[in-house]
Amino acid sequence: NAGVTQTPKFQVLKTGQSMTLQCAQDMNHNSMYWYRQDPGMGLRLIYYSASEGTTDKGEVPNGYNVSRLNKREFSLRLESAAPSQTSVYFCASSEESPSWSEQFFGPGTRLTVL
Amino acid sequence: RKEVEQDPGPFNVPEGATVAFNCTYSNSASQSFFWYRQDCRKEPKLLMSVYSSGNEDGRFTAQLNRASQYISLLIRDSKLSDSATYLCVVNGWDSGYALNFGKGTSLLVTP
Repeated sequence: NAGVTQTPKFQVLKTGQSMTLQCAQDMNHNSMYWYRQDPGMGLRLIYYSASEGTTDKGEVPNGYNVSRLNKREFSLRLESAAPSQTSVYFCASSEESPSWSEQFFGPGTRLTVL
Repeated sequence: RKEVEQDPGPFNVPEGATVAFNCTYSNSASQSFFWYRQDCRKEPKLLMSVYSSGNEDGRFTAQLNRASQYISLLIRDSKLSDSATYLCVVNGWDSGYALNFGKGTSLLVTP
């Protein structure tokens, strides 16, 4: 099992460009999440999907959109990238609600916006 | 006020030492508590859940004090491979799907 996979691993964008970060899990988990991690800020939740067909905003959703394509895949889109979106992005999944369920993280996407 | 607070460190300790980290949380309604470990430039991974009665996993002991709203992690007989950042995690503002991550405490174990 690959666990949680993310593509791409690295990306450099110019301000105003758009891109989609891809995430897939092969553990048959119901819930999936997108976080960003910035130096000195810790991990912050952008969006989550409690189950296939549902998505909800997290702590820092502005500037992002998500799609839960199917049970396996959860993508994050930046419509018009800004330098403030330079960060490391982690996708995660859990069997159920994270209140009692371990979250498994992907290896991350390192995004730089110039 | 940040919901989960940790001393960022770094904690520099020699191999074999015992080291303890503390974490405080602000939401008294929180029900779930965890320690995650994150190696440099890697993803976080669950180290252990924290239970009300305290729990131990080998050299690692986690404690929860609900009255004072803090969580601790004790590492005994530190190994070089314990060098990492330790993230304190508490279920979040909606008490459902959100987890709040502390900024992490950095540990460096030296020979």
